Amino acid sequence: QKEVEQDPGPLSVPEGAIVSLNCTYSNSAFQYFMWYRQYSRKGPELLMYTYSSGNKEDGRFTAQVDKSSKYISLFIRDSQPSDSATYLCAMSYNNNDMRFGAGTRLTVKP
Amino acid sequence: GAVVSQHPSRVICKSGTSVKIECRSLDFQATTMFWYRQFPKQSLMLMATSNEGSKATYEQGVEKDKFLINHASLTLSTLTVTSAHPEDSSFYICSAAQGEKLFFGSGTQLSVL
Repeated sequence: QKEVEQDPGPLSVPEGAIVSLNCTYSNSAFQYFMWYRQYSRKGPELLMYTYSSGNKEDGRFTAQVDKSSKYISLFIRDSQPSDSATYLCAMSYNNNDMRFGAGTRLTVKP
Repeated sequence: GAVVSQHPSRVICKSGTSVKIECRSLDFQATTMFWYRQFPKQSLMLMATSNEGSKATYEQGVEKDKFLINHASLTLSTLTVTSAHPEDSSFYICSAAQGEKLFFGSGTQLSVL
């Protein structure tokens, strides 16, 4: 079993839809949780950062962490074609040991 | 967010030559930087952890003599692919740690002919 599981997709949604992206993990020691967006042939861009459990909202993006279920989510409201990218979840218990999900490829169709 | 600059963005070289990739943290100091390799439609594969002023720590299966890492200052780490071969062709990405967050460079596409 991988330490971080993420469905690679691909996921295709119409413009304006709510997108739900998820990751599960097995290491209960993880306490820092991040979501990155990566466009093709570009470096990942940090979207959301959460420490421990709870929700965090930033514009159209909401990150949720449920440590009891070892489950994290990223919601994108009113999705736009410019949101089409690969979304990577990442987590660590310190900044020297980051673990990444496989990434979910998202396409938002106009 | 913090900015990490990576150069070059693309390089094409002949087999047997060496290629150097630079990674700079522009607005913060990074004692720790990381180097990754990414194949098409796959996630990031950590190659090594670069610590300022000390030797890099390589992941299992990564040849340290093949992929030379130097972290000479708090804002610069370099990866040199020595005697490059076609199988080294890949997308290489660096990242720098600022607290518990990682910020990534824009990546380098290496093509070895």
